[in-house]
Amino acid sequence: GAGVSQTPSNKVTEKGKYVELRCDPISGHTALYWYRQSLGQGPEFLIYFQGTGAADDSGLPNDRFFAVRPEGSVSTLKIQRTERGDSAVYLCASSSTLGARPSYTDTQYFGPGTRLTVL
Amino acid sequence: GDSVTQMEGPVTLSEEAFLTINCTYTATGYPSLFWYVQYPGEGLQLLLKATKADDKGSNKGFEATYRKETTSFHLEKGSVQVSDSAVYFCALFVGGTSYGKLTFGQGTILTVHP
Repeated sequence: GAGVSQTPSNKVTEKGKYVELRCDPISGHTALYWYRQSLGQGPEFLIYFQGTGAADDSGLPNDRFFAVRPEGSVSTLKIQRTERGDSAVYLCASSSTLGARPSYTDTQYFGPGTRLTVL
Repeated sequence: GDSVTQMEGPVTLSEEAFLTINCTYTATGYPSLFWYVQYPGEGLQLLLKATKADDKGSNKGFEATYRKETTSFHLEKGSVQVSDSAVYFCALFVGGTSYGKLTFGQGTILTVHP
């Protein structure tokens, strides 16, 4: 079956511009995560959705970052007034969570990422 | 807070050599531990996991044992192949209020030469 897909694969923008990054999770997966991976580092958690709601947005670096998942499937990460420090690979992951909260048994499946470059 | 520390890379080996990539962690709760791999041009893939102390995760010839007493989860493979060249990430998961987010180490680049 299809895995997690992310579009675009690459995005180059200018400082101060607005960008949207899209994630299509595996069909039926209720849990969706966004991570950010800077060069030479491991992924860092940004936000977690269970269904349509953001259950944990503690990883968003500031209020320029926002994410939505209006129908409980596709998610969009939105970045306003981009800065050069926002340049990174943005990863999306999804999992099938049976309970009210994710469990260690819920494997997170990652998409290929969107490489964002802010000039 | 929760954190994962991996041995610094990159690691360069000849084919059929023995591999060890060290991973240690600190966690506020009782974590599950994972190794993810990122092959060139591909997304992160789960390689193996262990969910409680003394568990051994294994896959594709790789193994890692959850050592609570040393807070470690070192990755090993007895005989590496060129196709194992990739970036390896150790990660932990603590349930409850953390909502299952993964905390990753910085990654270790492995290059295997023929």
